[in-house]
Amino acid sequence: GDSVTQMEGPVTLSEEAFLTINCTYTATGYPSLFWYVQYPGEGLQLLLKATKADDKGSNKGFEATYRKETTSFHLEKGSVQVSDSAVYFCALTRRNSGNTPLVFGKGTRLSVIA
Amino acid sequence: GAVVSQHPSRVICKSGTSVKIECRSLDFQATTMFWYRQFPKQSLMLMATSNEGSKATYEQGVEKDKFLINHASLTLSTLTVTSAHPEDSSFYICSARVAGGPAVDTQYFGPGTRLTVL
Repeated sequence: GDSVTQMEGPVTLSEEAFLTINCTYTATGYPSLFWYVQYPGEGLQLLLKATKADDKGSNKGFEATYRKETTSFHLEKGSVQVSDSAVYFCALTRRNSGNTPLVFGKGTRLSVIA
Repeated sequence: GAVVSQHPSRVICKSGTSVKIECRSLDFQATTMFWYRQFPKQSLMLMATSNEGSKATYEQGVEKDKFLINHASLTLSTLTVTSAHPEDSSFYICSARVAGGPAVDTQYFGPGTRLTVL
């Protein structure tokens, strides 16, 4: 079945450091890929998404590129802030799949210290 | 952007009582809604998939008589935890999938409901 593997945390960075959170996937066909962020005590917020190969999703300084050849969707940010401290989830769904739910990775906790 | 609300955000109840959690899509129609449960420092566990006007599809191991799901309209789904017990204490999150258009694959999540059963 479909699956998502993301790097285990926690990840601790100093402010303004470069962030990479690795995410790879296994899926039949061409899934849509997502990054969601969860701040403490809150639900998930869509951070960015990509729906086809070589698409780059971007939002709030975060970027991720849909790499079909390596089945990856790594999340990057050039300069993290303390306010970026949260849990990040990589996820996929089959395109135009109606009722199919998201398949999540286990989440990566990021702590940014001043 | 698409907004999903949940009510209540936090509830404390006594063991044996029932609790209803509402999930609404505020500015879009959602033919499909999903209910998740999240334990501390863990990922989301899918409980059930809810389709408007039909019975919910429950994941293996989720008791459908304990977690009653109703999806009465294109903007509202409810989860009722019946005869709640302390082990049902958790963070419950719903999501709604856009019914059509360019964002059709995207799920939007509610802010979650923290249930504590004493």
